[in-house]
Amino acid sequence: GENVEQHPSTLSVQEGDSAVIKCTYSDSASNYFPWYKQELGKRPQLIIDIRSNVGEKKDQRIAVTLNKTAKHFSLHITETQPEDSAVYFCAATQYSSASKIIFGSGTRLSIRP
Amino acid sequence: EPEVTQTPSHQVTQMGQEVILRCVPISNHLYFYWYRQILGQKVEFLVSFYNNEISEKSEIFDDQFSVERPDGSNFTLKIRSTKLEDSAMYFCASSEGGGPGNSPLHFGNGTRLTVT
Repeated sequence: GENVEQHPSTLSVQEGDSAVIKCTYSDSASNYFPWYKQELGKRPQLIIDIRSNVGEKKDQRIAVTLNKTAKHFSLHITETQPEDSAVYFCAATQYSSASKIIFGSGTRLSIRP
Repeated sequence: EPEVTQTPSHQVTQMGQEVILRCVPISNHLYFYWYRQILGQKVEFLVSFYNNEISEKSEIFDDQFSVERPDGSNFTLKIRSTKLEDSAMYFCASSEGGGPGNSPLHFGNGTRLTVT
């Protein structure tokens, strides 16, 4: 089955700097990679996703990149703000079926003022 | 915006007792899921449900667990005889259909289950 590894487990960056979170996946059949943000005590919320037929996707200050060959994908947050502080989970699944989403272990991002 | 709702928000039970966690998925959604998150750990898949039957389940979802859609709106997770290690946040999720890529998962706010 699918296994998703995520690094780092914690990340502290200065406000205004960029943050990068990296993930790898094991199942070459996975073709959909969502990213979730979870604030303390709240539900995971989808912030951006990417399908395997594209290499990069941007949404304002957030971007995701995907390297299918290496089975790597990354989340990039630019111009970080205090409200970006949260736990971020990468995930992998197959978008065309009702497959389960397999989550990474999470990255706790802290933004220093 | 429609939301997945879960009740109760917090459930405390004694080891060996049965608990039922309740969820009301978004009304036009067809796929339903339960995930759990042990404190400080990753979100783990438990089970997916479509067309009144389980589509897929994880190794965590053993004989102590069951799911049911007793009517047109509720989706429940039952744990027959709770263990200490069942203590976790349980998230219900739903999607319109066609897989999470075609229709993103919407998570509820979760039920925190504490087994003492």
